[in-house]
Amino acid sequence: NAGVTQTPKFQVLKTGQSMTLQCAQDMNHEYMSWYRQDPGMGLRLIHYSVGAGITDQGEVPNGYNVSRSTTEDFPLRLLSAAPSQTSVYFCASRTGITGELFFGEGSRLTVL
Amino acid sequence: AQSVTQLDSQVPVFEEAPVELRCNYSSSVSVYLFWYVQYPNQGLQLLLKYLSGSTLVKGINGFEAEFNKSQTSFHLRKPSVHISDTAEYFCAVSDQSNYQLIWGAGTKLIIKP
Repeated sequence: NAGVTQTPKFQVLKTGQSMTLQCAQDMNHEYMSWYRQDPGMGLRLIHYSVGAGITDQGEVPNGYNVSRSTTEDFPLRLLSAAPSQTSVYFCASRTGITGELFFGEGSRLTVL
Repeated sequence: AQSVTQLDSQVPVFEEAPVELRCNYSSSVSVYLFWYVQYPNQGLQLLLKYLSGSTLVKGINGFEAEFNKSQTSFHLRKPSVHISDTAEYFCAVSDQSNYQLIWGAGTKLIIKP
């Protein structure tokens, strides 16, 4: 039972480069989301999706794009990386508004 | 708008001593409440949640939390902590109509031997 799988676990980028963080879940959850975690700031929601073909912005969406073509996958794209995007990124999914939010192990991104 | 305040950024406590991690929220509507734990270099996992019913909620690893509607609080407690409880603990709230969780800034629990 894999749960939520994120890749890569670590990535170093140069300013201006683009990349995609992959997220896949095998629990048939309708809701998927991306967070970034920075010291002392808790978790901030970047984008979320409540089903295939449906995405919406969270608290800090600028500089990021998402798509949801299948129930399982929810990739996060950084369009032109900036040092301010240095962070740990978590993908999470849940079923229902009372259900547990399941997290991936995180992706640590450094932008030089 | 909802917000969550975790009053302590760090809580040091001796091993086998009791601990309380404080969480207060503000909301104009009824809410669901959650505590999550993050061990070093891992994702978050659910400790416990309050949806309705009894205000005392028991979770994994011996933790419990009490929902106090009048004080808009949801404090987390454990009667005796162990070294393995060293982690960061996050309180979260959602209203009863959508998927989004509003997160507190987290409290690091530091266990002193």
